[in-house]
Amino acid sequence: AQSVTQLDSQVPVFEEAPVELRCNYSSSVSVYLFWYVQYPNQGLQLLLKYLSGSTLVKGINGFEAEFNKSQTSFHLRKPSVHISDTAEYFCAVITDNYGQNFVFGPGTRLSVLP
Amino acid sequence: GAGVSQSPSNKVTEKGKDVELRCDPISGHTALYWYRQRLGQGLEFLIYFQGNSAPDKSGLPSDRFSAERTGESVSTLTIQRTQQEDSAVYLCASSRDYATGELFFGEGSRLTVL
Repeated sequence: AQSVTQLDSQVPVFEEAPVELRCNYSSSVSVYLFWYVQYPNQGLQLLLKYLSGSTLVKGINGFEAEFNKSQTSFHLRKPSVHISDTAEYFCAVITDNYGQNFVFGPGTRLSVLP
Repeated sequence: GAGVSQSPSNKVTEKGKDVELRCDPISGHTALYWYRQRLGQGLEFLIYFQGNSAPDKSGLPSDRFSAERTGESVSTLTIQRTQQEDSAVYLCASSRDYATGELFFGEGSRLTVL
């Protein structure tokens, strides 16, 4: 079974600074990887996804993530954050076996400070 | 069309009562997922439907929890004899099929067991 680890439960960062949110997964088969964002008092929405092809994936709001198979990682980055990026970020994985469920990491709370 | 709709948005109940939570997925979405999110925590997988079949029920916490789905439409999550530890936000998500990699989440049903 697959699992997802997000080592940082909280990440405070000043506005306009760069940020990296870490995600590692464990799976014995090929995976699809995702980042979801949950803004305060809102539902989750997809930020970006890796299904195949280029390992560098660009998403909404200037975020990007890089799939590293050898390190089983899918870290999320943004070169310059804004106050509006304050949210909870969840990494998720699904295997390519039909019927498998999405497994979410525990989440990282990003707080952007003025 | 409309997004994923969940009802009720808020439910306060007394310990020992039964509750039903409803999810209306996006029309045409074959896959439907239920997750539980306790305060300040990540998403806990409960159950997944492909059509009206539930190939993965591994996440249901106890036999007090059950779920059903009518065709590729509405799903109901039922919690019998509620306990205080059942208090959480119950999230429903749907997907056209698992391979697209995108879950569309509802806003959740917040359950409070007194």
